[in-house]
Amino acid sequence: QSVLTQPPSVSGAPGQRVTISCTGSSSNIGAGYDVHWYQQLPGTAPKLLIYGYTNRPSGVPDRFSGSKSGSSASLAITGLRAEDAADYYCQSYDSSLSGSRVFGGGTKLTVL
Amino acid sequence: EVHLVESGGGLVQPGRSLRLSCAASGFTFDDYAMHWVRQAPGKGLEWVSSISWNSGTIGYADSVKGRFTISRDNAKNSLYLQMNSLRVEDTALYYCAKDSLAAAAGTNDYWGQGTLVTVSS
Repeated sequence: QSVLTQPPSVSGAPGQRVTISCTGSSSNIGAGYDVHWYQQLPGTAPKLLIYGYTNRPSGVPDRFSGSKSGSSASLAITGLRAEDAADYYCQSYDSSLSGSRVFGGGTKLTVL
Repeated sequence: EVHLVESGGGLVQPGRSLRLSCAASGFTFDDYAMHWVRQAPGKGLEWVSSISWNSGTIGYADSVKGRFTISRDNAKNSLYLQMNSLRVEDTALYYCAKDSLAAAAGTNDYWGQGTLVTVSS
């Protein structure tokens, strides 16, 4: 059970907008630690999608965006495409844990 | 181009040891912290261990503390994970990941393809 809670699954039709939440607490997201998002396509290694809540690495389409509100963060995907079907993970830091780096449990995105 | 190539995985009996390696190229290795992240079959990502650029700061997940040891050789552009007293629950694909900072406080901006560790009798 991760200290960062994500919905196990979300779905949307091509062209739609979906959001994935990452809910934390006062010892992680609420404490002001950065949140990063990773995309893991089937059978591949994770890839950095969003860093520092809202920043996109070079090459990541602007259909992907991140935000923060209180002790939660969200990933939004607009103009959904079939190739967006993947697992998505949030990652942050937690002051209550030794080592302190934590991942959310992951969210499987299905494109209908 | 950044490349991270893990090796050393395999089938091992419970209680035995294994040493993973990660060969890095395409960036100045000793400028960045490095991490090991694992993924059990069908499960999510789990951070395992981190090491800063100069090995001065090291961290472990509680699940591996006291059994695993992370190290790096900056002269060889290599990262290692010595895994002792392996348990069935350590079975996973182990990824090597680069940090965006010298201290282990940034994001994992590049990942290897992983090496599979299977612990079974």
